Amino acid sequence: GNSVTQMEGPVTLSEEAFLTINCTYTATGYPSLFWYVQYPGEGLQLLLKATKADDKGSNKGFEATYRKETTSFHLEKGSVQVSDSAVYFCSGRNTNAGKSTFGDGTTLTVKP
Amino acid sequence: DTGVSQDPRHKITKRGQNVTFRCDPISEHNRLYWYRQTLGQGPEFLTYFQNEAQLEKSRLLSDRFSAERPKGSFSTLEIQRTEQGDSAMYLCASSFAQDSYNEQFFGPGTRLTVL
Repeated sequence: GNSVTQMEGPVTLSEEAFLTINCTYTATGYPSLFWYVQYPGEGLQLLLKATKADDKGSNKGFEATYRKETTSFHLEKGSVQVSDSAVYFCSGRNTNAGKSTFGDGTTLTVKP
Repeated sequence: DTGVSQDPRHKITKRGQNVTFRCDPISEHNRLYWYRQTLGQGPEFLTYFQNEAQLEKSRLLSDRFSAERPKGSFSTLEIQRTEQGDSAMYLCASSFAQDSYNEQFFGPGTRLTVL
């Protein structure tokens, strides 16, 4: 079955630092890939997505590029803010499949 | 608010009791999913419905677990004879299957604590 491996956390950065959270996937075929964010006390929110190789998803200054050759979908942001502190989940789902497969999450703390 | 809602938000029960959770999806969504999330882990798929049909069940869903979506709208997840290992956050999500991305929208979850 499909699996998603995320960089282990927690990650602590100073405000305005560069962020990378690594994500690699194993799947049959080429799944759609997603990053979700979970703020304290809230549900998962879709942050960005990409559905095919070389697609770049972007939202709120975050970006991730679907790399078929390395089966990766790393999340990046050039300058993090304190408000970005949250847990980030990488996820994959085969086209028209029901279930999504999630990584274990990476906790990001941004200090002023 | 037209998002996915779940009830209750928190449930504390004693081992051996039965519990039932409810999920109300976004109204035009025809797919509904249940996931379980334990501390420090990502959500794990349990089951999903398209309209009222249950299309897939995970092997995680033991015979103590049952989910229904009788009219293709809200869904219930019942756990019988709860065990301490059932303590987790139970997440519901919904989507519209005909959307190109089939994006899943998540509810806030029901946190279950089994004493």
